[in-house]
Amino acid sequence: SQQGEEDPQALSIQEGENATMNCSYKTSINNLQWYRQNSGRGLVHLILIRSNEREKHSGRLRVTLDTSKKSSSLLITASRAADTASYFCATDATSGTYKYIFGTGTRLKVLA
Amino acid sequence: DAGVIQSPRHEVTEMGQEVTLRCKPISGHNSLFWYRQTMMRGLELLIYFNNNVPIDDSGMPEDRFSAKMPNASFSTLKIQPSEPRDSAVYFCASSLGGLITEAFFGQGTRLTVV
Repeated sequence: SQQGEEDPQALSIQEGENATMNCSYKTSINNLQWYRQNSGRGLVHLILIRSNEREKHSGRLRVTLDTSKKSSSLLITASRAADTASYFCATDATSGTYKYIFGTGTRLKVLA
Repeated sequence: DAGVIQSPRHEVTEMGQEVTLRCKPISGHNSLFWYRQTMMRGLELLIYFNNNVPIDDSGMPEDRFSAKMPNASFSTLKIQPSEPRDSAVYFCASSLGGLITEAFFGQGTRLTVV
């Protein structure tokens, strides 16, 4: 079963607007990562946040983590058409195994 | 480094045939993952290796699927016999291992079983 669930499943915004995607997960984690997937391509790592961190920034990306609610959000500011892609969160369980379980993804479409 | 290299990029095969997907991880990475992606089920982790040893194969759907990693620079995922429901994009990913490292993905193999 999926560890992470993103919402919304799909999001359509105008260029320049901000996009917010959410991820909820089920079990305790060591870290949470966000990936982007362009159509027909492999996934590309965007940002990693550790369980003891609450917020992290990377360029136009801002990630928050609330371990008490088992949720994370990814904010893309000043979106561009090139940001059109699917976004996934991935978590590792604190089971001692170093495997990444991906959520269902959010399909983002940025209209020029 | 060229990144994670998967071959073939596309594979069309008839039901019942054996299919072998190949992966070359990034040099120096000691963790390797095989994922399957479909519209219905999303990204599923099939198996992952650490230092060439299979650590968790609980995601392998059935005995028709097998994976090997004979050395640090090569892994295969085999389906025998293949079925139409195996049609999906199969991704290989590698990482340095451990708890705080990102995974690097290959471009995937799009498998179609007819």
